[in-house]
Amino acid sequence: GAVVSQHPSRVICKSGTSVKIECRSLDFQATTMFWYRQFPKKSLMLMATSNEGSKATYEQGVEKDKFLINHASLTLSTLTVTSAHPEDSSFYICSASGLGGRETQYFGPGTRLLVL
Amino acid sequence: GENVEQHPSTLSVQEGDSAVIKCTYSDSASNYFPWYKQELGKGPQLIIDIRSNVGEKKDQRIAVTLNKTAKHFSLHITETQPEDSAVYFCAASIMKAGTALIFGKGTTLSVSS
Repeated sequence: GAVVSQHPSRVICKSGTSVKIECRSLDFQATTMFWYRQFPKKSLMLMATSNEGSKATYEQGVEKDKFLINHASLTLSTLTVTSAHPEDSSFYICSASGLGGRETQYFGPGTRLLVL
Repeated sequence: GENVEQHPSTLSVQEGDSAVIKCTYSDSASNYFPWYKQELGKGPQLIIDIRSNVGEKKDQRIAVTLNKTAKHFSLHITETQPEDSAVYFCAASIMKAGTALIFGKGTTLSVSS
């Protein structure tokens, strides 16, 4: 149990375009989903927390108009990087909690975004 | 603000040896401490966790200890194998919109055969 998937696994896009990343909990209902960003050889940086049916809570310094998060159901959250620029290139990872104790987070495999 | 310090940043051991990674946290309200293993290009995988009402937890070759008074917790891997080579992250819970985690900076463990 506790499988979280992400799609796509990697994406290359042109500067100025928007990219949507999906995060799904496959075998449990995720009351909360989290989005992280990770730079090479660095730790995970929390971007935002989303609860199903409500607006996401963004961390300080994260632009909510640039990183749009939707948590439409208990198994799906999406992150849309709008008007992407090369500095948005990164590894984006989602996690979901709702199984095995509300604090326990299970991570997806990550999405590698490269903006040209 | 909340902070988690993790040491060492890199650790090299011979196959069969033990490996210990230590973390300290700052938020006295933290009550949940997971450890994750991340292989290159993949998402973190939960390997063990401990809650504040427990001082030690073991799962086969992996154990975690927690000292709430000193605000530190440690990961112990015994009889290391080359497949244990990865980056390990500790984390501590913090209350945000739901229970979020704050992560240490990671330890790169290399097990040579």
